[in-house]
Order: sequence, then C-alpha cells, then structure tokens
Amino acid sequence: KQEVTQIPAALSVPEGENLVLNCSFTDSAIYNLQWFRQDPGKGLTSLLLIQSSQREQTSGRLNASLDKSSGRSTLYIAASQPGDSATYLCAPEGGSSYKLIFGSGTRLLVRP
Amino acid sequence: DAMVIQNPRYQVTQFGKPVTLSCSQTLNHNVMYWYQQKSSQAPKLLFHYYDKDFNNEADTPDNFQSRRPNTSFCFLDIRSPGLGDAAMYLCATSRDRRATYEQYFGPGTRLTVT
Repeated sequence: KQEVTQIPAALSVPEGENLVLNCSFTDSAIYNLQWFRQDPGKGLTSLLLIQSSQREQTSGRLNASLDKSSGRSTLYIAASQPGDSATYLCAPEGGSSYKLIFGSGTRLLVRP
Repeated sequence: DAMVIQNPRYQVTQFGKPVTLSCSQTLNHNVMYWYQQKSSQAPKLLFHYYDKDFNNEADTPDNFQSRRPNTSFCFLDIRSPGLGDAAMYLCATSRDRRATYEQYFGPGTRLTVT
C-alpha cells in the first residue's frame, strides 16, 4: 500500500528565499507524480505533472524533480513571494487503480 | 472559463438527513472523481467514474453513493450523514485514467453536519 510523506509539515520563510519541499513515497512503481497547491478552504490547483520516465519538470519559478528508485520528489520554489503562501501536496499515481495517493501537505507561509 | 464547477460551495445538513452534492465539468473529460478531505488531512478518493463505469474504493462507506447521468455531471449522495462526514468534498476530472493526464479539481463543497 502506497504511503506518502511530506516534510516539513509547515514552513515559514521571508520573501525572496529559495526553498525546497520534500515528498517521499514507499512504492516506487508509479506512473507519474503531481504537485498541487491548495489555498485555505479551496480546491486543488495542479502545478506540475512528472511522468515516471522524466526526472524533472519546470513551470516558471517552480521546478519539480523525481527520483523513482529512491521514492522521492522535490518541489523547488525560486524567489518566493507572499502569494506563494498555501499548502503544497504531492500525489504519486501508480498501480492498476489509476489512483492518486496524497501526502498531508506542506503548509508554506512566505512573510513579506 | 470555469472548468470544474461544484455546487453548492457550502452545505449544512442535519444528522441523518440525505444530502446531494453536485459537480459539473466543461472539459468533456471521461473520468470524474470524488474525494473527501477532512481538516488538515490528505484528500482521500471515495470513487470514480470512467465514462459510465463506476469504480468504488474498497473502504468507502455504503452511506456514500454516486450518480453520473451524463458526461458533464456527477453527483455525490450521502444517504444518512453522520458528524464524522463533515469535510470538504472535492470533485476532479481527467481526460483518461492513463498516467499522462492531469487531474483537474473543482473548488470543493464544505459540508457541515449539525
């Protein structure tokens, strides 16, 4: 059974810092991994999708990497801004069930 | 421009009183999912429709049912809500179940049970 862990659970940084969010998963037989953003009381916004054959994906100030063999993914946020404050969730998809298994997220606060 | 729409955004129901949550999509996607997310927890998949084919998760309580009358709409029915069913309910869609396709989420419906 896939288990997903995100560290740290919460993070507070000053504006402008570069930061890394970590995601680890126990079953490396995944097809892809998605990173999502969730604002308080809102739905999820897809940020990046990395296929199992890829090692990284970039979108603007965001870069996500995937190391399937070690069961790890990282989300790198460059030059953080207060508008980046949200909860970030990772979700690998794998097996025959086509299911996303979510981590509990990292709650990020970027201080002005 | 809205792609996945959920109504209502907030729903209050009484203990044991049936409630229906609605999801619609303008993306013409084949797959529609329902997730339950309790406070400060990860979203948990309840079930999904692949076209008209209903796929229930093994640990989804019988109290939760779903209907998909056409491609655009999907409903979540809670037959007898308990206090433990208070949560955010998220609807998502994807073009197909294959791994190349992203899931797109709606804004969610927050359910309160009194």
